[in-house]
Amino acid sequence: NAGVTQTPKFRILKIGQSMTLQCTQDMNHNYMYWYRQDPGMGLKLIYYSVGAGITDKGEVPNGYNVSRSTTEDFPLRLELAAPSQTSVYFCASSYSTTNEKLFFGSGTQLSVL
Amino acid sequence: GQNIDQPTEMTATEGAIVQINCTYQTSGFNGLFWYQQHAGEAPTFLSYNVLDGLEEKGRFSSFLSRSKGYSYLLLKELQMKDSASYLCALNPPSNNAGNMLTFGGGTRLMVKP
Repeated sequence: NAGVTQTPKFRILKIGQSMTLQCTQDMNHNYMYWYRQDPGMGLKLIYYSVGAGITDKGEVPNGYNVSRSTTEDFPLRLELAAPSQTSVYFCASSYSTTNEKLFFGSGTQLSVL
Repeated sequence: GQNIDQPTEMTATEGAIVQINCTYQTSGFNGLFWYQQHAGEAPTFLSYNVLDGLEEKGRFSSFLSRSKGYSYLLLKELQMKDSASYLCALNPPSNNAGNMLTFGGGTRLMVKP
């Protein structure tokens, strides 16, 4: 199994540009998450989804949008990139029970200049 | 809300034992996770504590005291490959949001020869 796959691994954007970070998982997990991690900091939750068609905001949702049309895919959209969105983005998924660990993708390093 | 505190950095010697502390203030949580994150990589699951007490997994052990708002990760027989960041995370009381973890800032451990 591939687990959680994120693309791209690196990206540089200009201020005001838009892009989509792709995330797909092949473990049939209902729960999926997007986190961002600033240098030397912990992870902060951007958005999460408990199943296809259902999404909700996390701690830091401003400037982002998500969709969940299938169980496998959970893309994160940046509409008007800002320097404050320079960060490493991690997608994760988990089984449909509260105590299950998260499986993380390898991350996307995004710089907005 | 939840507030999680960890030391920013620690240094230890190969072969030694190190204890990484995590203190928290929260209105309630289901359990406490520890993740390991090597530089430039995704976090990987280490341990999960629901009940008070010690959970042992080989060289790694994790302890939880709910009454004291305190957890620690104990690493024995340190190896150079243990140089990484260690993230403490809480998951909320059982609800429909899966494992919407709140992470501490992480402790960067440097193991020296």
